[in-house]
Amino acid sequence: GENVEQHPSTLSVQEGDSAVIKCTYSDSASNYFPWYKQELGKGPQLIIDIRSNVGEKKDQRIAVTLNKTAKHFSLHITETQPEDSAVYFCAASLTGNQFYFGTGTSLTVIP
Amino acid sequence: GAVVSQHPSRVICKSGTSVKIECRSLDFQATTMFWYRQFPKQSLMLMATSNEGSKATYEQGVEKDKFLINHASLTLSTLTVTSAHPEDSSFYICSARDPQGGWNEQFFGPGTRLTVL
Repeated sequence: GENVEQHPSTLSVQEGDSAVIKCTYSDSASNYFPWYKQELGKGPQLIIDIRSNVGEKKDQRIAVTLNKTAKHFSLHITETQPEDSAVYFCAASLTGNQFYFGTGTSLTVIP
Repeated sequence: GAVVSQHPSRVICKSGTSVKIECRSLDFQATTMFWYRQFPKQSLMLMATSNEGSKATYEQGVEKDKFLINHASLTLSTLTVTSAHPEDSSFYICSARDPQGGWNEQFFGPGTRLTVL
């Protein structure tokens, strides 16, 4: 099955700096890659996603890049704010049903 | 995006009792719902896929007789933890696919914190 690795596990940045979280996947057939933000005690919220026919997608301060050849995708958050502090999960999906999640990155934005 | 609710948000029960958790899609009909389990500071682990009107599909290692899933309507799926034990204490999260929306998107509920004493 699919194996998704996520790095780093923890990340601290100064407010206003950028944060980058990287994920790799093993199954070249995976074609959908969402990113979720999870705040303490809450369910994950979709913040951005990318499909395999696209190399990059941007939504205001958040962007995701996908390298199908290398089988990795990354989340970029620019101009970070304290409210960006949360745990971020990447996921890969083959069929649209089964989501394989990364191990999560705890992001702390220091004011 | 679509809204998914869960009830209750927290539940504490005694060992040996059964607990039912509800997952509802509020503004769309979900033919497929998913149940995940999340231990502290760990990732989400898929437990089962619930399809409306049919039996749930359980992931390897998940006891289907212990974690009963019912998806009787297009807006409601329930997870019943039977004869709960302390090791069942966890954060249970459901998600739902909106067939009218993005073809792969899953919308997650807020989760249910189960504590078994």
